[in-house]
Amino acid sequence: AQSVTQLGSHVSVSEGALVLLRCNYSSSVPPYLFWYVQYPNQGLQLLLKYTSAATLVKGINGFEAEFKKSETSFHLTKPSAHMSDAAEYFCAVSDQTGANNLFFGTGTRLTVIP
Amino acid sequence: KAGVTQTPRYLIKTRGQQVTLSCSPISGHRSVSWYQQTPGQGLQFLFEYFSETQRNKGNFPGRFSGRQFSNSRSEMNVSTLELGDSALYLCASSLGTPGNQPQHFGDGTRLSIL
Repeated sequence: AQSVTQLGSHVSVSEGALVLLRCNYSSSVPPYLFWYVQYPNQGLQLLLKYTSAATLVKGINGFEAEFKKSETSFHLTKPSAHMSDAAEYFCAVSDQTGANNLFFGTGTRLTVIP
Repeated sequence: KAGVTQTPRYLIKTRGQQVTLSCSPISGHRSVSWYQQTPGQGLQFLFEYFSETQRNKGNFPGRFSGRQFSNSRSEMNVSTLELGDSALYLCASSLGTPGNQPQHFGDGTRLSIL
């Protein structure tokens, strides 16, 4: 069975500082991994996805994530935080069986301090 | 290209009633998945429909059901509503090929049970 664990339900960074949101996955088969962002009163927006083509994945809004099989991690980073990055971030995993269901982490709320 | 559209955005019901939520996927997308989001349980997969057939199901009671029409639009029904059904219900669509295709989410229907 697939699952993801997000370390830190709340993360605060100063504007311009590095953003690091942690995600570890558990999967018995090679996983597909995703990061989504949710703004208040909205649905989920895809930031980036890992589908085994490259271990370093670049997404929208300057975010990127690196797949590390040895650490079973897929941490999300951004070099310089912007006020508009304040939101909740979800890591998700699906398998390669053809099932189209995502298993989500519990989310990390990012606060950006001016 | 229009995104995923969910109607209504907000709904208030009382215990024992039933409710139907609607989801129109992105044009060309054949897979529609439903998720429940609550503060306590987070994001949980309900079920997925592909070509009018339920292809995958999460761990929810039979009070939760759905269907998909020939134009890929989907509806979700919850019968005999309970207080614990209060949640944001999110619909996501994708092309439907194995899990590497990202799911695109609507803004959700917020259901409140009184």
